[in-house]
Amino acid sequence: ELKVEQNPLFLSMQEGKNYTIYCNYSTTSDRLYWYRQDPGKSLESLFVLLSNGAVKQEGRLMASLDTKARLSTLHITAAVHDLSATYFCAVDPQHSGAGSYQLTFGKGTKLSVIP
Amino acid sequence: NAGVTQTPKFQVLKTGQSMTLQCAQDMNHEYMSWYRQDPGMGLRLIHYSVGAGITDQGEVPNGYNVSRSTTEDFPLRLLSAAPSQTSVYFCASSYSVDNQQFFGPGTRLTVL
Repeated sequence: ELKVEQNPLFLSMQEGKNYTIYCNYSTTSDRLYWYRQDPGKSLESLFVLLSNGAVKQEGRLMASLDTKARLSTLHITAAVHDLSATYFCAVDPQHSGAGSYQLTFGKGTKLSVIP
Repeated sequence: NAGVTQTPKFQVLKTGQSMTLQCAQDMNHEYMSWYRQDPGMGLRLIHYSVGAGITDQGEVPNGYNVSRSTTEDFPLRLLSAAPSQTSVYFCASSYSVDNQQFFGPGTRLTVL
């Protein structure tokens, strides 16, 4: 059974600081997804990482994937209040070839950016 | 484009009642999924479909049925509602597994 662990689960940080959210998973996979959810809202796709060493950046967020370590990171640079949200990673258990589409989600990291 | 739409937004059921949650997308996506979100649990996959006429079970399929007669629609049926099915339900679609998923606004279901 695939297990996906995010840490920390809660993160309070000051504006302007940098921090990293970690997503560890228990089985071989080369597909990982990051999502953002605002309180009471739906999920928004942030990044799709499809191979070892994949790195994607959008604004103050950068995601990377290390399939050998079974680890993805979401790095936040110079945080601003608008980044306050819950961030989820999700893993496709299929390794190489076509994905299975049976995603397993982490429990989410609730980020609060304090002015 | 409306994207992914879900109806209703809110629903209260009594134990044993049945109902259908509607999901539709207008992006011609082949892949569609249903998730439930419970506090502290992340999202869990209920059922998914890789195209019209093709559906499969996810992690927590018991008590739910789906069908996919068209590319656009992917309804989720609760056969006999139970309090354990109180949750927020999200429908999602994507062009392929290598592309981002688009999520609907969600349905908040309470079973009494």
